[in-house]
Amino acid sequence: AQKVTQAQTEISVVEKEDVTLDCVYETRDTTYYLFWYKQPPSGELVFLIRRNSFDEQNEISGRYSWNFQKSTSSFNFTITASQVVDSAVYFCALSLNTNAGKSTFGDGTTLTVKP
Amino acid sequence: NAGVTQTPKFRVLKTGQSMTLLCAQDMNHEYMYWYRQDPGMGLRLIHYSVGEGTTAKGEVPDGYNVSRLKKQNFLLGLESAAPSQTSVYFCASSPGLAGTDTQYFGPGTRLTVL
Repeated sequence: AQKVTQAQTEISVVEKEDVTLDCVYETRDTTYYLFWYKQPPSGELVFLIRRNSFDEQNEISGRYSWNFQKSTSSFNFTITASQVVDSAVYFCALSLNTNAGKSTFGDGTTLTVKP
Repeated sequence: NAGVTQTPKFRVLKTGQSMTLLCAQDMNHEYMYWYRQDPGMGLRLIHYSVGEGTTAKGEVPDGYNVSRLKKQNFLLGLESAAPSQTSVYFCASSPGLAGTDTQYFGPGTRLTVL
């Protein structure tokens, strides 16, 4: 069975601080996909990134960066120079290629960025 | 192009009542999913469909039924609502397997069962 753990339930930072959200996953499959989603206070789910298990290159998109390490089964998300608009719940998710693509979500990390 | 839409946005039911949630997508996606999100938790898959006329159980299917009579629509039914079904329901669609394709989510339906 697959599992996603986001150990940080809530994080609070002051604007302009860097913050890292942790995601640890479990699966026995060798082919899998990892996702990060943002859920702002308005409630919708916003896709941020998808990464497959064969691509361990880190990715940077503006102030966002992702560190994928298969050795530790982690897919961590860093926001650099955080802004108030980054306040949201962030979810990490795992999908298996062999399971009709069903996603398993972590319980989410609530990030609050204070001005 | 509206993407994924959900009807209704809010609903209050009494225990034992029935209702149907409608999800519609205009992207010609094959796969569609229904999730529920409870406070402090991530999304859990209720049912999904890999194509028109097909449905399958997800992680938490009990108390729900689904139908996919048309490719663009995925209906979620509650035959006899219970307070434990109070939740926010999200529909999603993807072009193919969610593992290889991004899931596109609807805005959610907030359901309260009294």
